[in-house]
Amino acid sequence: DAKTTQPTSMDCAEGRAANLPCNHSTISGNEYVYWYRQIHSQGPQYIIHGLKNNETNEMASLIITEDRKSSTLILPHATLRDTAVYYCIVRVNYNAGNMLTFGGGTRLMVKP
Amino acid sequence: NAGVTQTPKFQVLKTGQSMTLQCAQDMNHEYMSWYRQDPGMGLRLIHYSVGAGITDQGEVPNGYNVSRSTTEDFPLRLLSAAPSQTSVYFCASSYLGRLSGANVLTFGAGSRLTVL
Repeated sequence: DAKTTQPTSMDCAEGRAANLPCNHSTISGNEYVYWYRQIHSQGPQYIIHGLKNNETNEMASLIITEDRKSSTLILPHATLRDTAVYYCIVRVNYNAGNMLTFGGGTRLMVKP
Repeated sequence: NAGVTQTPKFQVLKTGQSMTLQCAQDMNHEYMSWYRQDPGMGLRLIHYSVGAGITDQGEVPNGYNVSRSTTEDFPLRLLSAAPSQTSVYFCASSYLGRLSGANVLTFGAGSRLTVL
């Protein structure tokens, strides 16, 4: 699996958009970008994933650069409840058994 | 639809005791797995299963056993608890081999284990 690099921490004002970057310069053609988050003491929660097109769902938007070497998760109107650790993971789209590796992630603090 | 249910939520053990953490899912997912998370750390894969009767080791399997007799259940057994096994344990499940859905994991709420 391609290695990902994320900032250790970020702050965001409540109500503003939170833009969380992820670098994955060694991504291969069949690898997807997945985003999860973990709110304190809870199990990780799936947010969104994509291959090369931008994706949007009820939680967030995912913007993947044309060369696919980086991506940005966008929370359009961050709330205090979005304070969490956000994990960017790159993985092929089939389950080979030995699944996702969660690294350090980005600790997002949404402030009032 | 309960998703992934883990029991117990909290457990305190003495060194050398054994216990089983239970995990059940009602989504008919083929894939189930156990992770542990130590304070301030990411998640590490302990064991996983791709279907009933099939299990395999993850990154940190020592000291743990698993079995998968049904699609729904995937218990994690601690054979002889050690203080190093103090951690939060998460069970997760997903479909297997579906296009772009294989890595959409559903996690349980976690089981916090303390070994004295």
